[in-house]
Amino acid sequence: QVQLQQSGPGLVKPSQTLSLTCAISGDSVSSNSAAWNWIRQSPSRGLEWLGRTYYRSKWYNDYAVSVKSRITINPDTSKNQFSLQLNSVTPEDTAVYYCARDSGGKDWYFDLWGRGTLVTVSS
Amino acid sequence: EIVMTQSPATLSVSPGERATLSCRASQSVSSNLAWYQQKPGQAPRLLIYGASTRATGIPARFSGSGSGTEFTLTISSLQSEDFAVYYCQQYNNWPPAFGPGTKVDIK
Repeated sequence: QVQLQQSGPGLVKPSQTLSLTCAISGDSVSSNSAAWNWIRQSPSRGLEWLGRTYYRSKWYNDYAVSVKSRITINPDTSKNQFSLQLNSVTPEDTAVYYCARDSGGKDWYFDLWGRGTLVTVSS
Repeated sequence: EIVMTQSPATLSVSPGERATLSCRASQSVSSNLAWYQQKPGQAPRLLIYGASTRATGIPARFSGSGSGTEFTLTISSLQSEDFAVYYCQQYNNWPPAFGPGTKVDIK
């Protein structure tokens, strides 16, 4: 059974870096038929796709315009996981953050989700 | 970027009744439309992709239809476990975009 297990702090101070990890079981971060995403949800912004990483003979990343200057998503093949780093956070980054899988091709829907991590940005 | 809208915002339905939810895209997304169900404290769950294909394990009472800019999710006979928020998502154009959701609650 494929599962995504999220970990990371639930409280981050303004201007600091939000860091989350998503461990994959039952699939591979290096799969040629999957991509690994971060999505967040807040009352003000709804469900918002942030970015993804995927492997097709080499590694690719794809980021939303709204966070492109602040975001990094990295795969870790040794641990079969991927991570999210969001720099210079503000209270507007307070949200539930989800990791999710898509097929990596044109069928960019999300068939597997982590349980979510509530991240609060506050001093 | 494509903007997704959903109506109504809230739908009050009695158990056993039919529920019809609408989703509209600001421009054509062909049939590249997915539906998700989200219950409180849980992640969204994929119900439908390709506008009308049920995901693995999704009961037949859930059906999707539409193409282009207008889509519908129908729940033929609401069960107690179906009261939740439903989101549509387009994946025809970058970036993938979600609608604001329709809450289905008990009448």
